[in-house]
Amino acid sequence: AQKITQTQPGMFVQEKEAVTLDCTYDTSDPSYGLFWYKQPSSGEMIFLIYQGSYDQQNATEGRYSLNFQKARKSANLVISASQLGDSAMYFCAMSPGGRTGGSYIPTFGRGTSLIVHP
Amino acid sequence: KAGVTQTPRYLIKTRGQQVTLSCSPISGHRSVSWYQQTPGQGLQFLFEYFSETQRNKGNFPGRFSGRQFSNSRSEMNVSTLELGDSALYLCASSSETGISYEQYFGPGTRLTVT
Repeated sequence: AQKITQTQPGMFVQEKEAVTLDCTYDTSDPSYGLFWYKQPSSGEMIFLIYQGSYDQQNATEGRYSLNFQKARKSANLVISASQLGDSAMYFCAMSPGGRTGGSYIPTFGRGTSLIVHP
Repeated sequence: KAGVTQTPRYLIKTRGQQVTLSCSPISGHRSVSWYQQTPGQGLQFLFEYFSETQRNKGNFPGRFSGRQFSNSRSEMNVSTLELGDSALYLCASSSETGISYEQYFGPGTRLTVT
């Protein structure tokens, strides 16, 4: 069974500063994917970033980077230069298997609410 | 290109009734996934359809079912509604031939069961 833990129910950050959202996971699958989604108050989920368990380098997508530490089973999201529009719920999730294919059965964390102050 | 659309956006049903929710994926997307989001259980995966076949399924009772049509539009049905089925139901589509984590979500259908 897979498990995702996000220990920070809420986070505050000053505009233009960097912030790290924590995520730890547990799985017995040898191959898996980790990913983050953003959910603004409008409710629509937005995909941010993906990390495969066998990827050698940490994933980056613009201002988002994923600090993947496999031995510690952590997949923290780092947002650099925070903007007011980054205020939202952030969900960490994982699924067995690779990026594509027929084994997508995701498990989501409970989310972290991020508020960016001007 | 139009995004994922879901209808209706809001729905109120009575316990014991059944409900059908609809999802139209982005044009060209063949994979459609459904999710349930509640304050108590968080975001949970219901099932995924690809080319009219259910390919993956989460841990939900058989009251929750779905289907996908040849144009990739998908419907989700919940029979014998319970109060606990009140939730935001999200649909997402992806563009690759297989499932991709880069899913595009719709705005959701807010279901209230009274």
